[in-house]
Amino acid sequence: GAGVSQTPSNKVTEKGKYVELRCDPISGHTALYWYRQSLGQGPEFLIYFQGTGAADDSGLPNDRFFAVRPEGSVSTLKIQRTERGDSAVYLCASSLTPADYGYTFGSGTRLTVV
Amino acid sequence: GIQVEQSPPDLILQEGANSTLRCNFSDSVNNLQWFHQNPWGQLINLFYIPSGTKQNGRLSATTVATERYSLLYISSSQTTDSGVYFCALSPTSGTYKYIFGTGTRLKVLA
Repeated sequence: GAGVSQTPSNKVTEKGKYVELRCDPISGHTALYWYRQSLGQGPEFLIYFQGTGAADDSGLPNDRFFAVRPEGSVSTLKIQRTERGDSAVYLCASSLTPADYGYTFGSGTRLTVV
Repeated sequence: GIQVEQSPPDLILQEGANSTLRCNFSDSVNNLQWFHQNPWGQLINLFYIPSGTKQNGRLSATTVATERYSLLYISSSQTTDSGVYFCALSPTSGTYKYIFGTGTRLKVLA
């Protein structure tokens, strides 16, 4: 596609529920990144994929968070047993290669846990 | 871990004015980028600048890696420049994760 697409744009869920957030990167981009942005803060790194594999998942806060990219294109960020502290904007970015520093970010998914 | 501080935290300008935004970091960096987040939340890459100077239209950036700071210059500001400006850096070679500063919130008045 022309840009990085994230769905849904907004998600409201109840505490304890499971959610999936989807990222569709620019066609042909091999590197994909997930970040989380809390209100008034800069984005915080979560995980980076090179192709299908998670090359660096050191930013995932705990084992409730998991991400996959099974075919090297679309990625899904999965959050189990959501907590109110998980409320944030989840941003996805892609780049042609890992060494291509021209990140393109999606518009984000605003997750609210009530 | 590395600390990234941006100043000023908030800035209000009249349209047409110039401004300088600063990013200080506490350790050596491998990669550094500047981003603009518009009022609708979209993050746009402005510069990849681990060292030296670059210019793109009314914007330019300079990084002095040995002194651990980077500057973003905005000349002849326009209302569309409003938003939050972030510097983001990657401290280690071979890693592609970025640490973002807390940003400078800019508002340009017509």
